[in-house]
Amino acid sequence: DIQLTQSPSSLSASVGDRVTISCRASQSINNYLNWYQQKSGKAPKLLIYAAFTLQSGVPSRFSGTGSGTDFTLTINSLQPEDFATYYCQQSFTTPQVLTFGGGTKVEIK
Amino acid sequence: EEQLVQSGGEVKKPGESLKISCKASGYRFTSYWIGWVRQKPGKGLEWMGIIYGDDSEITYSPSFQGQVTFSADKSITTAYLHWGSLKVSDTAMYFCARLATFNGRTEVFDLWGQGTLVTVSS
Repeated sequence: DIQLTQSPSSLSASVGDRVTISCRASQSINNYLNWYQQKSGKAPKLLIYAAFTLQSGVPSRFSGTGSGTDFTLTINSLQPEDFATYYCQQSFTTPQVLTFGGGTKVEIK
Repeated sequence: EEQLVQSGGEVKKPGESLKISCKASGYRFTSYWIGWVRQKPGKGLEWMGIIYGDDSEITYSPSFQGQVTFSADKSITTAYLHWGSLKVSDTAMYFCARLATFNGRTEVFDLWGQGTLVTVSS
């Protein structure tokens, strides 16, 4: 099965910072990589799909890059509402297996 | 409005059975997959498996195969997650989510239920 490894598992940042989160797949998944944001006690929310396409309504300070096995989520100018946990998820083997990464918690410095 | 509404939280004892539900509305239930996702307290998201809305096809994650059962009733547009014998280790929040196709190929969980908290304790 395809494994997704996110790094770091947590980070501390200040409002206005630029934050990057990495997601590495154990084998090539082309660009079938999605990113979700989860705030405490809430359901996850889709941010980016197909590695770099912003979901409707998601602020443009979020961006995604990558293909193959290495992917990055970038948040430019971190806002207070961005403090949350972020997960990557592969859909290369959909719908049979839809693995999530371990998550990256973005905390306030 | 498209939405998934899950049943309320449950407190159960080890060995008891449980079925939680995920009621869909605002879209064609039989045209989409519904996935189930577990989140243990303070931990990450775990994909449990997926069921097609017309109940014609089910895939379980190997980690959950034999531990849970999925079903769906298209007449009432509801998906279910069932345990025959709960364990303390089943204590978690459980989310259902709709799998939709974007860009003609990429599949994403675009619509989520609010989650059902299952607590198993003696």
